[in-house]
Amino acid sequence: SAVISQKPSRDICQRGTSLTIQCQVDSQVTMMFWYRQQPGQSLTLIATANQGSEATYESGFVIDKFPISRPNLTFSTLTVSNMSPEDSSIYLCSVGKGATNEKLFFGSGTQLSVL
Amino acid sequence: GENVEQHPSTLSVQEGDSAVIKCTYSDSASNYFPWYKQELGKRPQLIIDIRSNVGEKKDQRIAVTLNKTAKHFSLHITETQPEDSAVYFCAASIESGGGNKLTFGTGTQLKVEL
Repeated sequence: SAVISQKPSRDICQRGTSLTIQCQVDSQVTMMFWYRQQPGQSLTLIATANQGSEATYESGFVIDKFPISRPNLTFSTLTVSNMSPEDSSIYLCSVGKGATNEKLFFGSGTQLSVL
Repeated sequence: GENVEQHPSTLSVQEGDSAVIKCTYSDSASNYFPWYKQELGKRPQLIIDIRSNVGEKKDQRIAVTLNKTAKHFSLHITETQPEDSAVYFCAASIESGGGNKLTFGTGTQLKVEL
C-alpha cells in the first residue's frame, strides 16, 4: 500500500480564484494520477503526472485550467484555475503500486466548494 | 476509449443475504479489473482485483468473477454485514509497466439493512 497525504482537505473559494492542492507520498512512485469526483458521481481521471515531463491530460481537461507539477517522485500539485461553481468537486490524487503499478491507492481527497 | 457500465445503481439487502454487482466493459484489450469500496466521506479503497487470465478470485466473503467472452465481471458479497454498506465501484484498464489508467463504473450504493 501507500500513505498518501493530501491537503487541504477542504476549501471554500470565490469564483475566479485558484487553488493548489498538494499530494505527498511516503515512497517514490513513477506515476501519480489526479481524479475528480463530483457529488454522488464516479471518479474521472483528469491527468497523469510524470516526474520530469509534462502531465498527460484526458479528454475534456486542459493544462491552462488544471496545471500540474511533479517536481520529484514523492510529490505533486494540482491547481484548479479561474474557478467557477462547476469546479465544485472532490479532487483525489492517487498512486500506482504493485508489479505493474496496477493497484491504485488514493489520497484522502480535497473537497472544493466554489461560491 | 474504454467504457464501463455498472448495475444496479442502488442495492438494498438484508443482513446475512448476498449481494451481486455487475459491470460490463467495452475494450477487449482491458486485462485488469479492480473493485473499490468508498464509505461516506472516505477515500476509495481497493478491496479485490482480477486479471484477465483468471476466471474467479475469492477473498473471505467477497469474490469476483470474470467472463472475457461476454466482457463482464461481477462482485459477490456473501453474508453481508452493516459495515458492508458503502458505494462500490468497478473499474477496467490495460496493464502496462508504467501504470494503469483506470476507467471507473458509475458506482453502486449498497445498503445492508438489519
